Amino acid sequence: SQTIHQWPATLVQPVGSPLSLECTVEGTSNPNLYWYRQAAGRGLQLLFYSVGIGQISSEVPQNLSASRPQDRQFILSSKKLLLSDSGFYLCASPGQGSYGYTFGSGTRLTVV
Amino acid sequence: AQSVTQLDSHVSVSEGTPVLLRCNYSSSYSPSLFWYVQHPNKGLQLLLKYTSAATLVKGINGFEAEFKKSETSFHLTKPSAHMSDAAEYFCVVSGASGTYKYIFGTGTRLKVLA
Repeated sequence: SQTIHQWPATLVQPVGSPLSLECTVEGTSNPNLYWYRQAAGRGLQLLFYSVGIGQISSEVPQNLSASRPQDRQFILSSKKLLLSDSGFYLCASPGQGSYGYTFGSGTRLTVV
Repeated sequence: AQSVTQLDSHVSVSEGTPVLLRCNYSSSYSPSLFWYVQHPNKGLQLLLKYTSAATLVKGINGFEAEFKKSETSFHLTKPSAHMSDAAEYFCVVSGASGTYKYIFGTGTRLKVLA
C-alpha cells in the first residue's frame, strides 16, 4: 500500500528565512503529488500539484515554490518566509485503486 | 468548475443524538465526493466516498452520506454521536478528471457534549 512521509512534523522559522519541506512516497510509482495548506480556522487549499518529474502546476500565486526532482519526491520551498506562510502543510497522493487520497502526517509551520 | 460549501462551521450535539453535517456541491460533470475527518493535531482520514455507484454511501465509524443530485447535496449523518466523533469534518469534491485535484470545503467542527 501507498505511504507518504513528510518531515519535519513541526517547524518554527523567523520571517525572511528559507524553507524546505520534503515529501516522499512509498509503494507506488509515478504518482500524482499535491501540496495543500491549511491555515488556522480554514479548509485545505491546493498549492501545487505534479504529475511527474519536473512537472509542477501552481494553483495560487504565492511566496512558495515546489519541485519534483525524483519520481517519489516532492519538495515545497520558499526563499523568504512571510508571516502569512504559517499553517499546516500536507502532502497527498491519490490512493491506488480508488479516488481517495493518501495524506502525509503534515508539517505545522509557524513563522515568527 | 467545481466547488463545495459546508453550510455550518460549527455543530454541537449531545452524546447519543444524531449528527447531521451539511454539504452542497457544484460541478459541471458527475462528481466524486468525499468526507474526511481530522482529529486535533492529526492528519486527515477518509470517512467515505461517492463515485457514481450507490447514492447512499456507508463509511467508517457508523457514518453515512447520501448523494442527492437534485439538491446538489452530500450531507453526512450518524444516528448516534460518540464523544470520539468530536473533530473537524471536510467535504471534498474532486477536480477535473485525470488530475485528481481535490476541492475542500472550509470544514465543520463537530462538538459532542456529554
